[in-house]
Amino acid sequence: DAGVTQSPTHLIKTRGQQVTLRCSPKSGHDTVSWYQQALGQGPQFIFQYYEEEERQRGNFPDRFSGHQFPNYSSELNVNALLLGDSALYLCASSARDRGFGYTFGSGTRLTVV
Amino acid sequence: AQSVTQPDIHITVSEGASLELRCNYSYGATPYLFWYVQSPGQGLQLLLKYFSGDTLVQGIKGFEAEFKRSQSSFNLRKPSVHWSDAAEYFCAVGARRDDKIIFGKGTRLHILP
Repeated sequence: DAGVTQSPTHLIKTRGQQVTLRCSPKSGHDTVSWYQQALGQGPQFIFQYYEEEERQRGNFPDRFSGHQFPNYSSELNVNALLLGDSALYLCASSARDRGFGYTFGSGTRLTVV
Repeated sequence: AQSVTQPDIHITVSEGASLELRCNYSYGATPYLFWYVQSPGQGLQLLLKYFSGDTLVQGIKGFEAEFKRSQSSFNLRKPSVHWSDAAEYFCAVGARRDDKIIFGKGTRLHILP
């Protein structure tokens, strides 16, 4: 049973560019949340998707956007990249209304130069 | 809004010694509480969680945590640590089922041989 899968594992982008990160949730999970983890910090909540809609959002600018597809997979898009966007981006999935427990992926390490 | 404080940035213990990692939360009602562990370059693994009921919670890898409402604490304990326990530990809180979870800044655990 595959867990949460994220791609790519690493990438390097230049300031001002745009990036798309992808996440496939654990089998049986229908809710996807995205977190940003800067070096030496705890994960910060970006947003959560359920039924293809953004349900909750953290304190992140509109440059951060997302999408959820009918198969529950999700994308995180970041526009106009800043050096400060360099971080580990974690995807977590859960099964809404069927117990509480997030399963995290191994993350995408984004470096902005 | 909920928040989590992990007062210890680094903790060093000898292999075989007991361990206690501190966590204090801020939330008006009974929160959902979690402990996660993160090895270098990896995602987050759930050690244990508390929703209600018995305030002493057993988790994986021999860890346990105790919810103390009067102290707003949820400290993680292990009677005897192993070298493989060296990692970053995060305490987290959620307000309700399916809600986002808020993480503390983490405690880095070092094990002396």
